[in-house]
Amino acid sequence: GAVVSQHPSWVICKSGTSVKIECRSLDFQATTMFWYRQFPKQSLMLMATSNEGSKATYEQGVEKDKFLINHASLTLSTLTVTSAHPEDSSFYICSARDLGSVSYEQYFGPGTRLTVT
Amino acid sequence: AQKITQTQPGMFVQEKEAVTLDCTYDTSDQSYGLFWYKQPSSGEMIFLIYQGSYDEQNATEGRYSLNFQKARKSANLVISASQLGDSAMYFCAMRDMTTDSWGKLQFGAGTQVVVTP
Repeated sequence: GAVVSQHPSWVICKSGTSVKIECRSLDFQATTMFWYRQFPKQSLMLMATSNEGSKATYEQGVEKDKFLINHASLTLSTLTVTSAHPEDSSFYICSARDLGSVSYEQYFGPGTRLTVT
Repeated sequence: AQKITQTQPGMFVQEKEAVTLDCTYDTSDQSYGLFWYKQPSSGEMIFLIYQGSYDEQNATEGRYSLNFQKARKSANLVISASQLGDSAMYFCAMRDMTTDSWGKLQFGAGTQVVVTP
């Protein structure tokens, strides 16, 4: 089956620093990737849609300048949390759609747990 | 706007019993897809089952079946013969296929299932 990886799986950073999270589709090409944020005991909230070669589309209420998304290739999208603060501590999950599949399924990465101290 | 409602925050079920997880949705679109995902404590999102709005038969995948009642806008998940490994958070999600070519998913609040011996 299609595999999506995320790196790192967990990260601790100091307030004010930036953190980059990578999302890779390992065995398929993905023109579209999605970034979600999940707080404890809550549902997944879509942050942005990332399309290869174009600017990401952010959901309402998500700060574009704080959560920088780059989709440089058909297998890699990155999320950079700039000037992180403790309230940014969360579980970040990416997903990807298979370019070559007629399935509507999204393949999810294992998630990245960010803790800002 | 779409809306997914899961009214059961948590459920206990005895091993080997069946359990039904409720999901209702609200959309004005004719073409949409409904998904169920399982999220164990590790955080990974595991795809369970998919139902398209035009599918006439209820979807089944092993011990999972989806009770799709289009007129009532409900898509309940039935897990038969529950196992201890089924203990997890379960999310219902919907994708609008009429207006959204990217395939964004909107998730419900989730239902925490605990299977007891």
